Amino acid sequence: SSELTQDPAVSVALGQTVRITCQGDSLRSYYASWYQQKPGQAPVLVIYGKNNRPSGIPDRFSGSSSGNTASLTITGAQAEDEADYYCNSRDSSGNHPFGGGTKLTVL
Amino acid sequence: QVQLQESGPGLVKPSETLSLTCTVSGGSISSYYWSWIRQPPGKGLEWIGYIYYSGSTNYNPSLKSRVTISVDTSKNQFSLKLSSVTAADTAVYYCARESSSWYRGYYYYYMDVWGKGTTVTVSS
Repeated sequence: SSELTQDPAVSVALGQTVRITCQGDSLRSYYASWYQQKPGQAPVLVIYGKNNRPSGIPDRFSGSSSGNTASLTITGAQAEDEADYYCNSRDSSGNHPFGGGTKLTVL
Repeated sequence: QVQLQESGPGLVKPSETLSLTCTVSGGSISSYYWSWIRQPPGKGLEWIGYIYYSGSTNYNPSLKSRVTISVDTSKNQFSLKLSSVTAADTAVYYCARESSSWYRGYYYYYMDVWGKGTTVTVSS
């Protein structure tokens, strides 16, 4: 299956830790990548591979994977982290579908 | 620093073909995958397909019958054509560079450079 499933919405108190998950069969074979998208802007890569951050992404963002689930963790969430987050991965047919996205609200 | 810029008509009539080009600047189009992604108003990201610099392609099965992605290495550009468009194809269209690597037997792919996106409206 090429489907990646994410919770539609998650909230976190300012300064607390939040985990955003992505489930799919393809995640047993391929690592996910994670993208942050703020309103009116293009997506930005925040995590890729086992747990790699592009230059400029704060170290409060981290990634992990277990079985068919990939997770994006924000440790000490900031107001500027409020955004939509999407996971992406390759499936067995070579397709690269996105998850449905998770809207993160920082309270 | 690599930059991507989408270009093409912002308005396409129903049943016609949507054509967009992505120009790569600040780097070579070689050795990467080049992808198209779209986002309908108020909805999530949808992967359309990719082309490897050598010309091999892969398309979203739900769009495969209508999509063609091509590359022109001499111009450092790649293009998207989507035929027989309807209002459901109205979206912001993004191009992106996709890299690949592996770690302990697991391959991974990631879109590390994105264009700013271009809005395409399908309407008569």
